Amino acid sequence: KQEVTQIPAALSVPEGENLVLNCSFTDSAIYNLQWFRQDPGKGLTSLLLIQSSQREQTSGRLNASLDKSSGRSTLYIAASQPGDSATYLCAVSSGNTGKLIFGQGTTLQVKP
Amino acid sequence: DAEITQSPRHKITETGRQVTLACHQTWNHNNMFWYRQDLGHGLRLIHYSYGVQDTNKGEVSDGYSVSRSNTEDLPLTLESAASSQTSVYFCASSNSVNEQFFGPGTRLTVL
Repeated sequence: KQEVTQIPAALSVPEGENLVLNCSFTDSAIYNLQWFRQDPGKGLTSLLLIQSSQREQTSGRLNASLDKSSGRSTLYIAASQPGDSATYLCAVSSGNTGKLIFGQGTTLQVKP
Repeated sequence: DAEITQSPRHKITETGRQVTLACHQTWNHNNMFWYRQDLGHGLRLIHYSYGVQDTNKGEVSDGYSVSRSNTEDLPLTLESAASSQTSVYFCASSNSVNEQFFGPGTRLTVL
């Protein structure tokens, strides 16, 4: 059974710092991996989607990498801003079914 | 712009009542999903559909049902609401590369 783990559960950094959020999964036979952002009381916003054949994806200050063999993905946020404060979730799909298995999330606070 | 809407956004009901949560998407996606989000459990899949007249059970489907009569809508019904079903419910749909897009959520309280 696929399990997804995100460490740390919470992270607090000063504004301007570069940071890395981690996601690990137990079954390397994934179809894709998706990173989301969730603001308090809101829905999930898709940040980046990495297909199993890809190693990384970039969008603005965000870069997500995928290493299937080790069962890991990282989300790199450059030059963090207070507006980046949110919970970040990773989720994997183990087949072309669209069904996602979510990690518990990392709650990020960026202090001005 | 295409989007997913959910209604109501907040609902309070009593134990034993039937409740239906609406989900409507204008992406024209075939795949639609319902999740619940709880502290300590994260997001868990309740039901999903790959198209009209298709429905499937997810990880936590007991006490819930869905129907798919058209592409745009996937209503979620709680047959007899229980306090354990107090949660935030999210609807989602996915495109051809299985990227999922989520609605704003419905906060349901069962008293």
